[in-house]
Amino acid sequence: DVKVTQSSRYLVKRTGEKVFLECVQDMDHENMFWYRQDPGLGLRLIYFSYDVKMKEKGDIPEGYSVSREKKERFSLILESASTNQTSMYLCASSFIFGQGGTEAFFGQGTRLTVV
Amino acid sequence: SQQGEEDPQALSIQEGENATMNCSYKTSINNLQWYRQNSGRGLVHLILIRSNEREKHSGRLRVTLDTSKKSSSLLITASRAADTASYFCATKTSYDKVIFGPGTSLSVIP
Repeated sequence: DVKVTQSSRYLVKRTGEKVFLECVQDMDHENMFWYRQDPGLGLRLIYFSYDVKMKEKGDIPEGYSVSREKKERFSLILESASTNQTSMYLCASSFIFGQGGTEAFFGQGTRLTVV
Repeated sequence: SQQGEEDPQALSIQEGENATMNCSYKTSINNLQWYRQNSGRGLVHLILIRSNEREKHSGRLRVTLDTSKKSSSLLITASRAADTASYFCATKTSYDKVIFGPGTSLSVIP
């Protein structure tokens, strides 16, 4: 089975802290994505990466950065956590596959609360 | 801006009825996928339709894609209470971004 694993299910951090959310996939996928999910807003793309050391901004990159040092690991970094970053964070991965592509596989999510 | 927009935002039906959800998108796509999410749980992939396909079936699911109208529909036939969940469409663009809509909340009443 494909596994996309996020390091924590629940996190509580203080305002101003630097926060690392880790995601690891075991399917040798080139693409990895970070989303946040908020009630009434659905999923919003924060950043994605299509290869090691490559990254591209999504719809809402402000306040976030990412790191992709190894193909299987994609980290989301909140440089200075703020209360408006309280949310559910979802990691996903997929193959690059030309026309058509394949589905994305998701982790279980990390519910982050910033107090 | 949202690439995919589901319609309606919320849908309530009786068990046994069919449920139809629609999705519209803005840019050209490689494929369109539908996912479900139970409250507090992760996303589950349901079905994928490629840009050169017009209709696809999987069990009680039927998906159509109209690339000229940039829209897709998901039909769940003979709904069950266990189908209660949020349903999302997701489009994969030529740049390999996967963009999700805000979702349709489906309630199936026993």
